[in-house]
Amino acid sequence: DVKVTQSSRYLVKRTGEKVFLECVQDMDHENMFWYRQDPGLGLRLIYFSYDVKMKEKGDIPEGYSVSREKKERFSLILESASTNQTSMYLCASKTGGATNEKLFFGSGTQLSVL
Amino acid sequence: QKEVEQNSGPLSVPEGAIASLNCTYSDRGSQSFFWYRQYSGKSPELIMFIYSNGDKEDGRFTAQLNKASQYVSLLIRDSQPSDSATYLCASLMRAQKLVFGQGTRLTINP
Repeated sequence: DVKVTQSSRYLVKRTGEKVFLECVQDMDHENMFWYRQDPGLGLRLIYFSYDVKMKEKGDIPEGYSVSREKKERFSLILESASTNQTSMYLCASKTGGATNEKLFFGSGTQLSVL
Repeated sequence: QKEVEQNSGPLSVPEGAIASLNCTYSDRGSQSFFWYRQYSGKSPELIMFIYSNGDKEDGRFTAQLNKASQYVSLLIRDSQPSDSATYLCASLMRAQKLVFGQGTRLTINP
């Protein structure tokens, strides 16, 4: 069974802390994505990666960075967490190239910044 | 202009009727379009994808794509209470960037 695993389901952090959200996929997928989901705003793309060590900014990259040192792992970093980064974070992966390959999602991390 | 736009709803449809969900996109270079369903507290799951103009049917679901109008829709026939969920439209843009709309909340009334 295919799997995208996010390290934490719930996370509580304090303002100013450095936060790491980890995502691992076991499907040898080229493409990995980080989204945040807020009520009424849908899924907003933060960053994505189409290869190891490659990253592209999504629509809302401010306040975030990413790391992809290995193909299976894509980390989202909040350099200095702020309350407006309280959200559900979803990691996803898919194969590259083909236009009809579906996205596999992790179960999400609900982050609360106090 | 948002890259993918949906009416956030809520959309309320009686059981057994046809539910119609709409989506527009701004980038003419977009290659493929996806409809995901998301139940409360769960991750999105893929219902259908479409990349050619016209209609694509799968069971009770029909996806429609009109590239000239930059418009994608999803029809759900014989709506069931279990279809109540948020429906997310997504566009695969250039360089593998996959962008979602804000989602439409659908409620099927028994």
